[in-house]
Amino acid sequence: DQQVKQNSPSLSVQEGRISILNCDYTNSMFDYFLWYKKYPAEGPTFLISISSIKDKNEDGRFTVFLNKSAKHLSLHIVPSQPGDSAVYFCAARGTSYDKVIFGPGTSLSVIP
Amino acid sequence: GAGVSQSPSNKVTEKGKDVELRCDPISGHTALYWYRQSLGQGLEFLIYFQGNSAPDKSGLPSDRFSAERTGGSVSTLTIQRTQQEDSAVYLCASSTSRGSYEQYFGPGTRLTVT
Repeated sequence: DQQVKQNSPSLSVQEGRISILNCDYTNSMFDYFLWYKKYPAEGPTFLISISSIKDKNEDGRFTVFLNKSAKHLSLHIVPSQPGDSAVYFCAARGTSYDKVIFGPGTSLSVIP
Repeated sequence: GAGVSQSPSNKVTEKGKDVELRCDPISGHTALYWYRQSLGQGLEFLIYFQGNSAPDKSGLPSDRFSAERTGGSVSTLTIQRTQQEDSAVYLCASSTSRGSYEQYFGPGTRLTVT
C-alpha cells in the first residue's frame, strides 16, 4: 500500500511559468515532509522540507504548501528554469526514528 | 566535508553470482538507508539502520538480499545468486536523527546482471 503518492508521472512547463508538483499521503502520523530533486545518473538531493506544524515554507524560488486536513502537499517553483528539469520526489516521515518513505516521483520538463 | 560515497560505481555480473555493494556514510550520521531504483521506477526502500537499533529490513525483496552496518558506519549490501531483475541503481543515504532529517544520498551503484 503506497503511503506517499505522486499521481502525475510527468509534467511539462514553459520557462518562466510556475511549476506545481503535487503529493498526497495516507498516514496521518507523518509529521515531516521533504522534497528531493534527482538528475539522471546522480543521487537525489534535498530541496526543501516542511514540518506538520506549518502550512508553508519558502526558499527562494521554491515553496512547499501543506494541507494537513487534505493530507496533501505541493511544491511550487516560480519562475521555472530549464535547469529545474529533473525528477522530483516527495517524502515523508513520522517520528525522528521512523524511516523516510518516498513517493514514485514526478518528472518535470521545463521547456525553454 | 566528504559526502556519502558508494563503491563500485558500476558493476556488471553474471546471473547466479554474488555481489557486494559498499556505502560510506557521512561521519556522525546515525541513520543509513539503502534504496534501489529500477529503470523508469521510483525509489524502492530496502533497509534502514538507525544507531544501535535492530535494522528495519521490511523492504528487502527476498532472502537473497542482506545488509550489515559495521561499527555504526560503513554498510555493505549483499545480493546472493543475482538475477536479471536485480539490475538497478542501488542508492545509499545517511542522515542525522535530529533537525530537518534530510538525507544525503550517494551517487549510487549501477548493477547490471547479464
